[in-house]
Amino acid sequence: SYVLTQPPSVSVAPGQTARITCGGNNIGSKIVHWYQQKPGQAPVLVVYDDSDRPSGIPERFSGSNSGNTATLTISRVEAGDEADYYCQVWDSSSDHPVFGGGTKLTVL
Amino acid sequence: EVQLVESGGNVVRPGGSLRLSCAASGFTFDDYGMSWVRQAPGKGLEWVSGITWNGGSTGYADSVKGRFTISRDNAKNSLYLQMNSLRAEDTAFYYCARARGTDPDMVATGYFDYWGQGTLVTVSS
Repeated sequence: SYVLTQPPSVSVAPGQTARITCGGNNIGSKIVHWYQQKPGQAPVLVVYDDSDRPSGIPERFSGSNSGNTATLTISRVEAGDEADYYCQVWDSSSDHPVFGGGTKLTVL
Repeated sequence: EVQLVESGGNVVRPGGSLRLSCAASGFTFDDYGMSWVRQAPGKGLEWVSGITWNGGSTGYADSVKGRFTISRDNAKNSLYLQMNSLRAEDTAFYYCARARGTDPDMVATGYFDYWGQGTLVTVSS
């Protein structure tokens, strides 16, 4: 089935920009969604359909998708952004959703 | 306010069975497909199973196919997961999630916009 590859960890200083990648074979032809999960909590949708934000999600969160890499960008990172982030697509070959392995964002 | 509340998690022996429930409120339940997603302790997310708005189509991850059965009762605004022949590797938090952006007659082709808080299933002797 389709494999999504994320870096295990990303570190960034407060106020800087964090970029979390999600790699997959020709992922640019798929639609990518992103979730944030804080310790002990359920996942929360932060970006859907590659680059749209649900209501209530700050504009600091944005997404892009092209070629073999999708990217979640978090601008002006805050301490409260520290969490695990997961990308997700629908895999037509297996006919079910697939999640990336997750990236732990650490705010230094 | 959309709410999804899971229940039914417990400790069960290998080979045993368990039925999870998810009570939905705050939205028109039968307008949406639903899914179960699990997360083993300290691990990532894994989609387990999904069902269309009317129960007409269901889907399963290969890891649970033939052992788990998803169902829904729209009159009771409830989603269920019957889990049989449980294995140690089924130990996880199980979340129910509302599906969006999906073809109404296909299972979980979009994203999950609301999640419950999860219920813990532990399979151990």
